[in-house]
Amino acid sequence: GAGVSQTPSNKVTEKGKYVELRCDPISGHTALYWYRQSLGQGPEFLIYFQGTGAADDSGLPNDRFFAVRPEGSVSTLKIQRTERGDSAVYLCASSRGAGTEAFFGQGTRLTVV
Amino acid sequence: DQQVKQNSPSLSVQEGRISILNCDYTNSMFDYFLWYKKYPAEGPTFLISISSIKDKNEDGRFTVFLNKSAKHLSLHIVPSQPGDSAVYFCAARRGSSGDKLTFGTGTRLAVRP
Repeated sequence: GAGVSQTPSNKVTEKGKYVELRCDPISGHTALYWYRQSLGQGPEFLIYFQGTGAADDSGLPNDRFFAVRPEGSVSTLKIQRTERGDSAVYLCASSRGAGTEAFFGQGTRLTVV
Repeated sequence: DQQVKQNSPSLSVQEGRISILNCDYTNSMFDYFLWYKKYPAEGPTFLISISSIKDKNEDGRFTVFLNKSAKHLSLHIVPSQPGDSAVYFCAARRGSSGDKLTFGTGTRLAVRP
């Protein structure tokens, strides 16, 4: 596709369950980012991939959060034992590399009930 | 600790007039600043940026001003159009932190016809 694609667009899950959020970056983009936007806040950085490796995962809030990008393209953000405080819009972005413009997907709205 | 602050949660402007959105930051290590625009149910889209070595950057109706001594930047939109109605996020980046962006909380701009 032409842009960054995130699936699902909405996800409702019960507290304690495991969820996976998927991001398809723009073809050829080597850098991929995950952000989380809570209500009334700006996006907060979670993790940055350059190729297959996590170049910076300093924003992951705790060890319940994990992200992978095994082939350097699609990325999956995984959240274990979800909590109500995890409810937010999870945004993915990709770019051609360091210092170039990042393009965002439409986000996945996660609601933990 | 909010390193990038947008103290006005909302702004309403008449069509054709100037819109001025403000942003303050506390981290003197930030060396690159960006403005993103976000419509409902969409991801943020890049609007304009400025390097810390400049004090002004202009792109059509959009101009960003940077005052490093005051740690303040502003986005000017002239003339404002109803299609500019959106949430505007200020973001900042440190060269040493790669492309990790620190966002403000956003300002909702409403342009009245």
